[in-house]
Amino acid sequence: DAMVIQNPRYQVTQFGKPVTLSCSQTLNHNVMYWYQQKSSQAPKLLFHYYDKDFNNEADTPDNFQSRRPNTSFCFLDIRSPGLGDAAMYLCATSRDLQGARGYTFGSGTRLTVV
Amino acid sequence: GQQVMQIPQYQHVQEGEDFTTYCNSSTTLSNIQWYKQRPGGHPVFLIQLVKSGEVKKQKRLTFQFGEAKKNSSLHITATQTTDVGTYFCAGGTTDSWGKFQFGAGTQVVVTP
Repeated sequence: DAMVIQNPRYQVTQFGKPVTLSCSQTLNHNVMYWYQQKSSQAPKLLFHYYDKDFNNEADTPDNFQSRRPNTSFCFLDIRSPGLGDAAMYLCATSRDLQGARGYTFGSGTRLTVV
Repeated sequence: GQQVMQIPQYQHVQEGEDFTTYCNSSTTLSNIQWYKQRPGGHPVFLIQLVKSGEVKKQKRLTFQFGEAKKNSSLHITATQTTDVGTYFCAGGTTDSWGKFQFGAGTQVVVTP
């Protein structure tokens, strides 16, 4: 089945130690998004790729970076995780920027910072 | 910037009752989407509304887009335990093409 896969499902990292979260998709969608979701809050868009074109949200900290080496994969790098970065990180895809068929979300990676 | 607000934040419903959750935007939207997130799960796309005053139904769920395209509602009839979860609306504008602003969600708890 075509889907969005996030690995790992749970990630524990040390304060200040770089961590990478991965997302892959078999939908061949052009757009990939990274969202941060904290408990009982709305998903917050960090950045998105339209094909290879990277779009960063103005309020996304510099600590967060992303890479999309090809259509199928997208990575979220947190260079120096702080305690405030503990959250669920959701990857989503969309066929195009119009998103008329909605986003397809992965199951998320829950990041714990110790 | 664009803000999307949802009320209520929490909704306790007796099984079999109806309820409505509302979504309000500070700016005029080009479209609005609704998602459902089960406890411990990820958001799942339900529907998109585009036209002013549009109404769409999915079984017991009725979605409405306001005439001014600044608000939307989700009405669920005869609530079932399977309706448990958080319902998010996400608004899109032509200024922020490709980026939907999510509301904080309405968390629905159903008691038998």
